[in-house]
Amino acid sequence: SQQGEEDPQALSIQEGENATMNCSYKTSINNLQWYRQNSGRGLVHLILIRSNEREKHSGRLRVTLDTSKKSSSLLITASRAADTASYFCATAPFTGANSKLTFGKGITLSVRP
Amino acid sequence: EPEVTQTPSHQVTQMGQEVILRCVPISNHLYFYWYRQILGQKVEFLVSFYNNEISEKSEIFDDQFSVERPDGSNFTLKIRSTKLEDSAMYFCASSGLGQGNEKLFFGSGTQLSVL
Repeated sequence: SQQGEEDPQALSIQEGENATMNCSYKTSINNLQWYRQNSGRGLVHLILIRSNEREKHSGRLRVTLDTSKKSSSLLITASRAADTASYFCATAPFTGANSKLTFGKGITLSVRP
Repeated sequence: EPEVTQTPSHQVTQMGQEVILRCVPISNHLYFYWYRQILGQKVEFLVSFYNNEISEKSEIFDDQFSVERPDGSNFTLKIRSTKLEDSAMYFCASSGLGQGNEKLFFGSGTQLSVL
């Protein structure tokens, strides 16, 4: 598998349900970030979790990190139609705070009204 | 909220032509990046730029590519002789420096089509 690989590739849920997206990676990281991309637009940063953290919350977002399994999950609670977008995890290597991010292929989330 | 702006939003060019993609990063940011996304594929890192020099570059960023910060506000990506496979959405991003400033702010992208 590649660095920053998400699953599932696509997810379709009903408004109000929770959406869980997973990301796996291969090498040691400084931090892991989740981004959202609306169709044809740039990426928007959602949340960052550092390698020494296990869980973080931001509004309806909850991200977990398991460095022993080299995996992360993003939970969006009480989803809304406006959450429909592609979601990417991105890993920053251990080499430094501003090192390049490696993105996964993304997860397409569709939230049905 | 401050944002990264990119121009043009769309660029169509003939194979072999030179293109320059322009970006205005967020004014107090110090790290600048170019990423690209071929349709339906993942976002790929091209280059990062700090203190007026390239900090990191990927294997994609070969001699056909160059970056420049010609003045205090613009950050450009030049492709000297475009190929069909350069067709992609190109994203500029910027960030602050160091711990606590790792998140990237992306522009809306330039869709480059090479014919």
